[in-house]
Amino acid sequence: QSVLTQPPSASGTPGQRVTISCSGSSSNIGSNPVNWYQQLPGTAPKLLIYTNNQRPSGVPDRFSGSKSGTSASLAISGLQSEDEADYYCAAWDDSLNGVVFGGGTKLTVL
Amino acid sequence: EVQLVESGGGLVQPGGSLKLSCAASGFIFSGSAMQWVRQASGKGLEWVGRIGSKTDSYATTYAASVKGRFTISRDDSKNTAYLQMNSLKTEDTAVYYCSRRDCSGGSCYSAFWGQGALVTVSS
Repeated sequence: QSVLTQPPSASGTPGQRVTISCSGSSSNIGSNPVNWYQQLPGTAPKLLIYTNNQRPSGVPDRFSGSKSGTSASLAISGLQSEDEADYYCAAWDDSLNGVVFGGGTKLTVL
Repeated sequence: EVQLVESGGGLVQPGGSLKLSCAASGFIFSGSAMQWVRQASGKGLEWVGRIGSKTDSYATTYAASVKGRFTISRDDSKNTAYLQMNSLKTEDTAVYYCSRRDCSGGSCYSAFWGQGALVTVSS
């Protein structure tokens, strides 16, 4: 069971906007920034969002992140077929003294 | 171009040892922190641990599940990070990814990832 809680699945049609939630506690999301990773099928994870809402170079602005209290969310607008992937949230946990991940959300583009 | 290439994976019996290497190129390795993340087949990501740069006195931190069994080290002269795994258990079976650990705005994250190395612990 993962320390951060994500829905196991999400879906949307091309062009739609979808959001993926990530719930934690005061020792992780409540006191530290959140990062998001995208893992396309059969590939290594890739940094998608860092420090709650920052996009690395090359990540389309269709992807955005936000955080409030002990929860965070990833939004994908203008959904495209190539967005079909697993998405993971992550944060440092002060109690565990380590990085904790969400269980991952499998995004399906219908 | 940043490149991270893991090697050393394979099949090992329970209780055995294995050492993974992560060869880095395309950036100043000696100034970068590195970390390892693993993923069991069909499962999510699990943080293994990290090692700081010389500036951080090569400080290491480990997940509770591997502490005392795994050791992360680095050789800046070879631009390589290592993951020494001892007393391996069947539940350590996973793909192991090395990544460059960057920090910004109070947040640290895996900015770049290798392709992964498969470790199978089985008799």
